[in-house]
Amino acid sequence: GAVVSQHPSRVICKSGTSVKIECRSLDFQATTMFWYRQFPKQSLMLMATSNEGSKATYEQGVEKDKFLINHASLTLSTLTVTSAHPEDSSFYICSARNPGLAGSTDTQYFGPGTRLTVL
Amino acid sequence: KQEVTQIPAALSVPEGENLVLNCSFTDSAIYNLQWFRQDPGKGLTSLLLIQSSQREQTSGRLNASLDKSSGRSTLYIAASQPGDSATYLCGAAGNKLTFGGGTRVLVKP
Repeated sequence: GAVVSQHPSRVICKSGTSVKIECRSLDFQATTMFWYRQFPKQSLMLMATSNEGSKATYEQGVEKDKFLINHASLTLSTLTVTSAHPEDSSFYICSARNPGLAGSTDTQYFGPGTRLTVL
Repeated sequence: KQEVTQIPAALSVPEGENLVLNCSFTDSAIYNLQWFRQDPGKGLTSLLLIQSSQREQTSGRLNASLDKSSGRSTLYIAASQPGDSATYLCGAAGNKLTFGGGTRVLVKP
């Protein structure tokens, strides 16, 4: 159990376009989802926390108007990179938390990641 | 603000040697500490999770210890194999999950 999927796994786009990445919890309801970004040979950095039905909380330095997050249901969160530029090229990973699972109040389950390349 | 450090940043060992990966964190107010494996270009695979009330967790050849008071966790991998080559990340879960920079491991046949 506790499987998280991401779509697409890889996307290449032109500078100035917008890209949407989906994160789904497949077998549980995720009241909270997290979005991370990972640059090459660096660790994961939290971008934002999204709670179902409310506005996302962004980390310092992350532009909320550029990285739009929607968590409209308990199994789906989306991250839209608006007007993408080459410096937005990165590996984006989502995670989901299900406090309903026994012993997993603070456990996050990670998706496989999405590789974004902006030309 | 939680800061997580992993030492060494990279490690190369011959097959069969035991691996010792270190993780230190500055804020001991954590719920748990997790160790992850990440293969190149892939997502995270959770290896072990140690709750704040626990001292260690074991799974097969993997053993992770946690000393909250000193802000340290250690991941031991016994009898390393080439398939263990990957980047290992630790994450300290407080209000947020904060990751260390990772240790890149290469096990040479």
